[in-house]
Amino acid sequence: EAQVTQNPRYLITVTGKKLTVTCSQNMNHEYMSWYRQDPGLGLRQIYYSMNVEVTDKGDVPEGYKVSRKEKRNFPLILESPSPNQTSLYFCASSPLGMRTGNTEAFFGQGTRLTVV
Amino acid sequence: GNSVTQMEGPVTLSEEAFLTINCTYTATGYPSLFWYVQYPGEGLQLLLKATKADDKGSNKGFEATYRKETTSFHLEKGSVQVSDSAVYFCALDDYKLSFGAGTTVTVRA
Repeated sequence: EAQVTQNPRYLITVTGKKLTVTCSQNMNHEYMSWYRQDPGLGLRQIYYSMNVEVTDKGDVPEGYKVSRKEKRNFPLILESPSPNQTSLYFCASSPLGMRTGNTEAFFGQGTRLTVV
Repeated sequence: GNSVTQMEGPVTLSEEAFLTINCTYTATGYPSLFWYVQYPGEGLQLLLKATKADDKGSNKGFEATYRKETTSFHLEKGSVQVSDSAVYFCALDDYKLSFGAGTTVTVRA
C-alpha cells in the first residue's frame, strides 16, 4: 500500500530537548516536504527536498532542520524546541518537485507536538 | 508571491443541504488548483484538481471549476452527508503547494 508514515503521532516534550520526527514514504517519490498546521493559518511549508541531499527552506524554516540521506526518509529535527513550535506537523511526498499539476501530494497522518 | 484565500468557517449544514466553499488565488503563473480534504484525525488527501483554465474537477459529488478570469476555484456539492464533515483546503501548485487556511465543515443529521 502506498503510504507516508510519520512517527510519533503524538509527542509532548520540554523546551530545549532535541527531538526528531521521522517520515518515510514507499512510493519512490523525489519530492518530500514538511508542513505545520495551525488554526486559522492553514498549512505552512517548513522545508522541502527535491531529491537525495537536496533540501531547501520553505516559508517557516526557523528552528527546524531536515536531512535527506535516502530517498525514502525525510526526518524533521528540532534542535531546541520552544513552545511556539507546538503544532500539528505533516510530512508529504509527490513524484515531481515542480509543477506537480498532474500528480498529487500524499500526506502522512500527522504528528501532534506539544512543547511545554 | 502566490497565495490562496478561502472562506472562513466553521460551516454547519444539515444533511442534503447545498455546500459552497469559496476560494480565490493570486499567482504569477498558471498554477494547477486543488482541493484537499482532511477527515478527523487523518492527514490530507486529494479531493479534486484542475490543471488549466475552465477545467472542472470532480470527485465524490464535489465539483470545482478553474476560473482564470475571476481567479477562483470554488468547491460545491449539491447534497452533503454527515460523512462529508471535514476540513477542506484549497491549494495551488506553482512550483510548490500553497494552501489556504482551511474551512471546517460540519454536517448534522
